[in-house]
Amino acid sequence: DIQMTQSPSTLSASVGDRVTITCRASQSISSWLAWYQQKPGKAPKLLIYKASSLESGVPSRFSGSGSGTEFTLTINSLQPDDFATYFCQQYNSYPRTFGQGTKVEIK
Amino acid sequence: QVQLVQSGAEVKKPGASVKVSCKASGYTFTGYYIHWVRQAPGQGLEWMGWINPYSGDTYYAQNFQGRVTMTRDTSISTAYMELSRLKSDDTAVYYCAISSGSYSYFDYWGQGTLVTVSS
Repeated sequence: DIQMTQSPSTLSASVGDRVTITCRASQSISSWLAWYQQKPGKAPKLLIYKASSLESGVPSRFSGSGSGTEFTLTINSLQPDDFATYFCQQYNSYPRTFGQGTKVEIK
Repeated sequence: QVQLVQSGAEVKKPGASVKVSCKASGYTFTGYYIHWVRQAPGQGLEWMGWINPYSGDTYYAQNFQGRVTMTRDTSISTAYMELSRLKSDDTAVYYCAISSGSYSYFDYWGQGTLVTVSS
């Protein structure tokens, strides 16, 4: 199975900050990586697919980059609505695997 | 708009089975694979498998083979996930999610169903 490792596990930031979350795969997954946002008690929401493609309707302050084994999710100018948990997922092979999540908290 | 509405919370005893439903609307039910993913308390997400609503074909994660059964009823655009021989560590929120193909990301997710296994 491909292991997905996210860092940090928790991130404290202020409104307006630029934040970066990293996701590493235990083997190459090309660009077959998605990022999701999850708020407490809610369904996860797709943000980014194919490592850097922005899902329709997602604000442009979200961006993704990387390929192979190293990926990043960047949020430019953090907004109050962005405080949530973010997790990555590889869809290069089965079983599908996820990062452990990064909780973005208010500083 | 796309909606995946799941059935309500369940409490089961060890050894029992649970069946969770996922009712789809807002898109062509047979055009998207339905996956099941679970999240135990304080843990990460674990993918369980998928069903192709068009053909009924299924593909299960090795960890769940022999215990999970995924079915669908196209007449009511609903998918089901049944997990048998429940153990306490099956306590989790179970999500359904859809993808446009077997090799794709999850476009939409259901709201989740909490299954608690306790004696």
